[in-house]
Amino acid sequence: GEDVEQSLFLSVREGDSSVINCTYTDSSSTYLYWYKQEPGAGLQLLTYIFSNMDMKQDQRLTVLLNKKDKHLSLRIADTQTGDSAIYFCVRTGGGNKLTFGTGTQLKVEL
Amino acid sequence: DAGVIQSPRHEVTEMGQEVTLRCKPISGHNSLFWYRQTMMRGLELLIYFNNNVPIDDSGMPEDRFSAKMPNASFSTLKIQPSEPRDSAVYFCASLIPLAGGADTQYFGPGTRLTVL
Repeated sequence: GEDVEQSLFLSVREGDSSVINCTYTDSSSTYLYWYKQEPGAGLQLLTYIFSNMDMKQDQRLTVLLNKKDKHLSLRIADTQTGDSAIYFCVRTGGGNKLTFGTGTQLKVEL
Repeated sequence: DAGVIQSPRHEVTEMGQEVTLRCKPISGHNSLFWYRQTMMRGLELLIYFNNNVPIDDSGMPEDRFSAKMPNASFSTLKIQPSEPRDSAVYFCASLIPLAGGADTQYFGPGTRLTVL
């Protein structure tokens, strides 16, 4: 995951927006993904974006992709305590492989 | 479909013992991935199979680790002999298609392995 970088921690208040950022070095990925991992569970796909798109919105989630800067972000509107989890930025690697970032631990405080 | 099933969910063993982790992938999907997750190293791909054939095992740490997929419904990851540094959560994942040509990996709940 060294070519997909994320900050390790983010703390927000319930009801605020959360923005999780990611930078990557390999621009050849066709798709970029955000996965969520809740405590004691496996990773689950949250959303994804095709590399020729700039933005994708899905209910409370907004994904922004800046291909020039190789920057991906995930915005969660009206963050709830149930959003507390680790969020992984992921890009397609070679073949069917995925390259995972280090993960950002989101903590939502009351 | 019950999703990806892994067993056991928790395993505690002593150094030197053989450990076998099991995975039942989502039926009808041809690619299966084994990952290891630790605090220090994050999520690491160990090996993946396509149509029951190992495609890339470059992530397997050493000869103590082996993986098999004898049929489309079952895979094992074996560690023999186990060492304390193998303690981690091991995930199995199935590759499934999404709309628009993308694929995603659907993860199992993981096996938490502790080697004493």
